[in-house]
Amino acid sequence: KNQVEQSPQSLIILEGKNCTLQCNYTVSPFSNLRWYKQDTGRGPVSLTIMTFSENTKSNGRYTATLDADTKQSSLHITASQLSDSASYICVVTRRNTDKLIFGTGTRLQVFP
Amino acid sequence: GAVVSQHPSWVICKSGTSVKIECRSLDFQATTMFWYRQFPKQSLMLMATSNEGSKATYEQGVEKDKFLINHASLTLSTLTVTSAHPEDSSFYICSVSKTGKGINQPQHFGDGTRLSIL
Repeated sequence: KNQVEQSPQSLIILEGKNCTLQCNYTVSPFSNLRWYKQDTGRGPVSLTIMTFSENTKSNGRYTATLDADTKQSSLHITASQLSDSASYICVVTRRNTDKLIFGTGTRLQVFP
Repeated sequence: GAVVSQHPSWVICKSGTSVKIECRSLDFQATTMFWYRQFPKQSLMLMATSNEGSKATYEQGVEKDKFLINHASLTLSTLTVTSAHPEDSSFYICSVSKTGKGINQPQHFGDGTRLSIL
């Protein structure tokens, strides 16, 4: 079954600290993996997209990694800011389809 | 700037009312748009794929007569929740992607419509 699982479900960190969010998937055949940030009451915003051949991709303080062999991805946030408080969603696309398979998300809260 | 505009952002109405939500692609023509529903603390669930000039494709378990989708132009898709009931209360989000321009394009999401049925 095509699934995307994320951990932890929720995370609380202090401002300025780093954190890493995990994503495991069983989607096949794989096309790409995306990380989205969703602020409360808003639509998701794309952070990174990675294809099979890409191991890492950065977007400012966000760095995503992908291990297509183990079907795992991580999102590392460096020097967290209060504005990083949001849900982070891992999304995988199957090859030859536009449909996205969503993870359940990690709810991150950054406190001062 | 925003790629997708969704309107209204918030609707509160009585049970039995029909509610129309608009999704506009501002940056490019979109032959395909997607409609999602999101319940509190849950992830997005695809409801249907809206195809310009043809019938929408609904996911299993989504009533097509309940959730009417119209994609009459390349920049506008509408979702009408007919005879809404309290259990239809949810966060509805649309998205568009640059199909045909490479599969590794991000889907751009609207800011969602929060629907509350009393």
